[in-house]
This record gives sequence, structure tokens and C-alpha cells, in this order.
Amino acid sequence: GEDVEQSLFLSVREGDSSVINCTYTDSSSTYLYWYKQEPGAGLQLLTYIFSNMDMKQDQRLTVLLNKKDKHLSLRIADTQTGDSAIYFCAENNNQGGKLIFGQGTELSVKP
Amino acid sequence: SAVISQKPSRDICQRGTSLTIQCQVDSQVTMMFWYRQQPGQSLTLIATANQGSEATYESGFVIDKFPISRPNLTFSTLTVSNMSPEDSSIYLCSVEFDRETQYFGPGTRLLVL
Repeated sequence: GEDVEQSLFLSVREGDSSVINCTYTDSSSTYLYWYKQEPGAGLQLLTYIFSNMDMKQDQRLTVLLNKKDKHLSLRIADTQTGDSAIYFCAENNNQGGKLIFGQGTELSVKP
Repeated sequence: SAVISQKPSRDICQRGTSLTIQCQVDSQVTMMFWYRQQPGQSLTLIATANQGSEATYESGFVIDKFPISRPNLTFSTLTVSNMSPEDSSIYLCSVEFDRETQYFGPGTRLLVL
């Protein structure tokens, strides 16, 4: 079946790195995504990775994909208070564009 | 990327009534999607809306409760019919801009009393 799991909360100090983890079950996923949701807002696409890649870096964001273990992570370097939000990982399981979302990880950044 | 707007941004409705949510995109897209995010929860796909065909509903969602229109390649509507407090959620539309990425609208926050 389709299942995406994330830890619910993460708290870090401003300036530290944050690592948000995600596991998924569908090995046929082509793309995996990270979305950010700030309070009262919609979902912002942060980054995504193709399933044949191991790593993707985009400024402060680094995505690591371990396809063997079906594990995806998002590292935010030099975390700022503006990074406080809920982060969702999602997989595209090639069923007509449907995205399967994790529960979301609430990141709290303390000054 | 695509710029997506939704109307209304929020609403408070009485049970038994219906609300139609509009989604407008600034470019032509083939695939549009409607998701529901219940309070404190993740997103669940309601249906896929492609222009020129009937919407495809996910398990647990039916057309009578969530009728969808897709009259052209830049617009779609979702109606939440005969509402109950359990329908209180954020409703988000999204578009598949290319085969790799999906962008979301700002959401419609619905409270049913």
C-alpha cells in the first residue's frame, strides 16, 4: 500500500541545521517532494528529487534519498526563525499525478 | 511555475448548505487536483479534474457530495454539498505544471457550524 511517514515535531536553535526525515513504502515513486506550509497559508513547493538521484542541493536545502531504505531527508542549513513551519514530504506514485503526503513535521526554530 | 488563486479564501457556513470554491490558474494546465486538509492533518486527494472529461474521485469521495466542474484549461470549481461540521477543512486546488511538479493554491478555509 501507499504510506508516507514523518516525525511530527522538530525543535532547533537559530543557526543550527535542521534535518527532517521521511519514509515511504511505494518503490515505484518517480519523484519525491518537500512542501512547506506556514500558518494560515497554502503549500509552497520547496524542492523535489527524481528517484534515480541520491542527492540534490539548492542553496540552504539538501535533499538526500536512500532508495534502498525508502528514506528521504531534508536538511536546512543555518536555520532561521522564518523557517518555522510545517514541512510535508510527498511521493508521486505515477497514478495520474496523485501525491501521497506524510503527516507533516512541525519545525520550531528558537532564537 | 504557476500562479494559482482560490475564492473564497475562507468562509463560515451553516450546516445543510453548499459552498462552491473556485480555482483559477494563470496558464493553461491539463491536470488539476482538489485536496482536503482536515484540522491538524495531512492532505488527502479528493479528485482529479481534467478538462473535457468527468472528474475522477478517490475512494471515500463521491460526486454527489463534491461535484466538480472543469470548463476550460485555467479554471475549476469544487462544491461542498449539504455541509456538516465534519466538512470543516482547508480545501486546496493544485495543478501539475509539468510532469515533475505540482503547485498548490492558497487554500479555502471552511468552517461549518
